[in-house]
Amino acid sequence: AQSVAQPEDQVNVAEGNPLTVKCTYSVSGNPYLFWYVQYPNRGLQFLLKYITGDNLVKGSYGFEAEFNKSQTSFHLKKPSALVSDSALYFCAVRDPYTGRRALTFGSGTRLQVQP
Amino acid sequence: SQTIHQWPATLVQPVGSPLSLECTVEGTSNPNLYWYRQAAGRGLQLLFYSVGIGQISSEVPQNLSASRPQDRQFILSSKKLLLSDSGFYLCAWSPSDTHNEQFFGPGTRLTVL
Repeated sequence: AQSVAQPEDQVNVAEGNPLTVKCTYSVSGNPYLFWYVQYPNRGLQFLLKYITGDNLVKGSYGFEAEFNKSQTSFHLKKPSALVSDSALYFCAVRDPYTGRRALTFGSGTRLQVQP
Repeated sequence: SQTIHQWPATLVQPVGSPLSLECTVEGTSNPNLYWYRQAAGRGLQLLFYSVGIGQISSEVPQNLSASRPQDRQFILSSKKLLLSDSGFYLCAWSPSDTHNEQFFGPGTRLTVL
């Protein structure tokens, strides 16, 4: 079975500082990994994905994520946080070898960027 | 470009009443379609997904059902709503290739009183 964990309910960071939102996963094979962002009362917006290739993936709004197979992690990062980055962030995983098309989402991490 | 619509945006229904939420996708064909529920602004629970017309997979047995009468239309229904059905319902689609990032609609806020 595939699963994903986001160990932090909330992350607080000052504007201009680097941010990291953590995600670890569990799948039986090589994972497909995704990050989404959700603003209040809105749907989820796709940020980036890792399928194969370079472990560092760049996405929308200056975000990037690093796939680490040995640590089964896919942490989301940004070099300099903006107040407008404050939102709810979801990590998701799919194990392509199971034939299951649906993603499994983490519980979400609320990012609060203080001015 | 592809777009996904959901309606209504908000809904307040009494306990025991029926439910019908609609989701449509434009600009693509044969998409995979998904219904999620998000409770208390947090984690997403996959309710149903569909890989084609009339093909529905249920993830969690419950008071809800789904149907896909047309290629780009996905409907979430209930015959009798429960208080616990309250939440934020999100529809999503993904292309029918192997990588499957999902694209979400704006959601429907359902309150059952």
